[in-house]
Amino acid sequence: TQLLEQSPQFLSIQEGENLTVYCNSSSVFSSLQWYRQEPGEGPVLLVTVVTGGEVKKLKRLTFQFGDARKDSSLHITAAQTGDTGLYLCAGARAAGNKLTFGGGTRVLVKP
Amino acid sequence: NAGVTQTPKFRVLKTGQSMTLLCAQDMNHEYMYWYRQDPGMGLRLIHYSVGEGTTAKGEVPDGYNVSRLKKQNFLLGLESAAPSQTSVYFCASSRGNSYEQYFGPGTRLTVT
Repeated sequence: TQLLEQSPQFLSIQEGENLTVYCNSSSVFSSLQWYRQEPGEGPVLLVTVVTGGEVKKLKRLTFQFGDARKDSSLHITAAQTGDTGLYLCAGARAAGNKLTFGGGTRVLVKP
Repeated sequence: NAGVTQTPKFRVLKTGQSMTLLCAQDMNHEYMYWYRQDPGMGLRLIHYSVGEGTTAKGEVPDGYNVSRLKKQNFLLGLESAAPSQTSVYFCASSRGNSYEQYFGPGTRLTVT
């Protein structure tokens, strides 16, 4: 059992649709990061959230950190084919602690 | 800046052979990490280093060794490769443990 559980594991949608990816844990995290990984490349950071209830927007991507800092979600509005990739959440249990990565959600946006 | 680079990009080994993966970063980061990525498992930490000359075990260290002789380089060694070590290996660096990690492009290793 992973410390951070991501769901769903795989998501296939048509261009223009919306999607939400979830990252859940029974543990509290001091901060949580979201990365996107494209085929053949390493993950790249999208956002870091540190405050319970925090909402951050990055163009069509909306990230939310749960009030209790145990979960997070990533919502993509009007998905585009360029959003295709593996989305990973990663959390630090306390400031200065190593990151723990979730299992990832593979998103496929079809034209 | 090149960021984080890894060599080689691909490698095929026979069971029992040894090899070293090289990671280099030009961002003057103190922390460096080696992960393996397997389908559905996300990234699992093998070993990490909090500074030149120091290394520590991660989540899945068995069968691997590391060295950090220079701040900019982090080497991952497989002394006797096994098919279970077939994976994609990523190196990363960061300013500190909880900070953003910068990843290399990965090394795809197949052990037959």
